Amino acid sequence: GENVGLHLPTLSVQEGDNSIINCAYSNSASDYFIWYKQESGKGPQFIIDIRSNMDKRQGQRVTVLLNKTVKHLSLQIAATQPGDSAVYFCAEGPGGSYIPTFGRGTSLIVHP
Amino acid sequence: EPEVTQTPSHQVTQMGQEVILRCVPISNHLYFYWYRQILGQKVEFLVSFYNNEISEKSEIFDDQFSVERPDGSNFTLKIRSTKLEDSAMYFCASNQADRGGIQYFGAGTRLSVL
Repeated sequence: GENVGLHLPTLSVQEGDNSIINCAYSNSASDYFIWYKQESGKGPQFIIDIRSNMDKRQGQRVTVLLNKTVKHLSLQIAATQPGDSAVYFCAEGPGGSYIPTFGRGTSLIVHP
Repeated sequence: EPEVTQTPSHQVTQMGQEVILRCVPISNHLYFYWYRQILGQKVEFLVSFYNNEISEKSEIFDDQFSVERPDGSNFTLKIRSTKLEDSAMYFCASNQADRGGIQYFGAGTRLSVL
């Protein structure tokens, strides 16, 4: 069936490095994608989103890249900080409705 | 910054009992959602609510579940007869616009069914 998945369950980086978290999706009807951050004991927090008519969107220290050809989504975090340590989820919203499908999550660990 | 608040933070109940999870969405938001996350698993959509009615629901949201907006501020999720497999974190979220709007999540209620 259609699903959203993540390539790497855990990513460890040094403070100051750039981080890249990947996500694969298989629903070609999806036209809206979101990255969430979830810190321990908290609910998901919106980071950045992108629509399928774009291939790149930048926020503050974060960039989302969308490759529709291979159905791949990535989140780049520049100059990673210890406060970025969290689980990162991607989610997709199929066209016509908004019932989001979440990926399993990648745990980002930032070492000082 | 306005936030979505959920109570209680942890609810322990016996199997077969009814529970009501409470949420206060952000005041000017119009769309409300419930999600659940079983320990170690993905966040799963349960239901969306707009204009005092359910707009979409998932297969998980069966007859044991119901939602209500009893007044102008609260949004509740009721589970009529809890099962062991209902144990999970339940997140409430709200946003101003349904598609393309940022959903703001509460910190969640941990439901433990014994």
